[in-house]
Amino acid sequence: DTGVSQDPRHKITKRGQNVTFRCDPISEHNRLYWYRQTLGQGPEFLTYFQNEAQLEKSRLLSDRFSAERPKGSFSTLEIQRTEQGDSAMYLCASSFPQGLYGYTFGSGTRLTVV
Amino acid sequence: KNEVEQSPQNLTAQEGEFITINCSYSVGISALHWLQQHPGGGIVSLFMLSSGKKKHGRLIATINIQEKHSSLHITASHPRDSAVYICAVRETSGSRLTFGEGTQLTVNP
Repeated sequence: DTGVSQDPRHKITKRGQNVTFRCDPISEHNRLYWYRQTLGQGPEFLTYFQNEAQLEKSRLLSDRFSAERPKGSFSTLEIQRTEQGDSAMYLCASSFPQGLYGYTFGSGTRLTVV
Repeated sequence: KNEVEQSPQNLTAQEGEFITINCSYSVGISALHWLQQHPGGGIVSLFMLSSGKKKHGRLIATINIQEKHSSLHITASHPRDSAVYICAVRETSGSRLTFGEGTQLTVNP
């Protein structure tokens, strides 16, 4: 297992288009988290899953955002009708329950909306 | 006021200097994490603390639960230590992390 993988690493899209990002966590980890990080800021929580169940969503996650983890393994984060304010780094992390033994982060997907 | 605050926001040091980055938080926590982020975005976990002190190589992390404060120290700093250092806490009530804004460290040769 090579850690948490995110795809793509970079995405440039036109305003109004839909985008989808993928995260493959460490296989033994049943918790998966999505965070968003804008330039010069710390990451902000978006949502997290335990297995396939989405347990918590931030108010930052507007109705244009949806996340899934259909089989409790990889997860997707979709943004519909992208806006320039969506430009950010989208980070995925995984862990055992309650963050036991810590969290492992992916390298992120950098989204630029033009 | 953010739940997790770091100081300083930016820090420039000369190679070999002893560096301290501070983190204060306002919520009850079950663990505090120090993370390192290099340009390009990847985040590496340095320490997870719930009490006391941990050391790994030239890095030392301490936490005072009563004062809700943690420090990250780097001894004999080196230009390769240049990165953003982020403090994050896991609240007692949840599983997710709440992050500070990070400290940009630049170590000059």
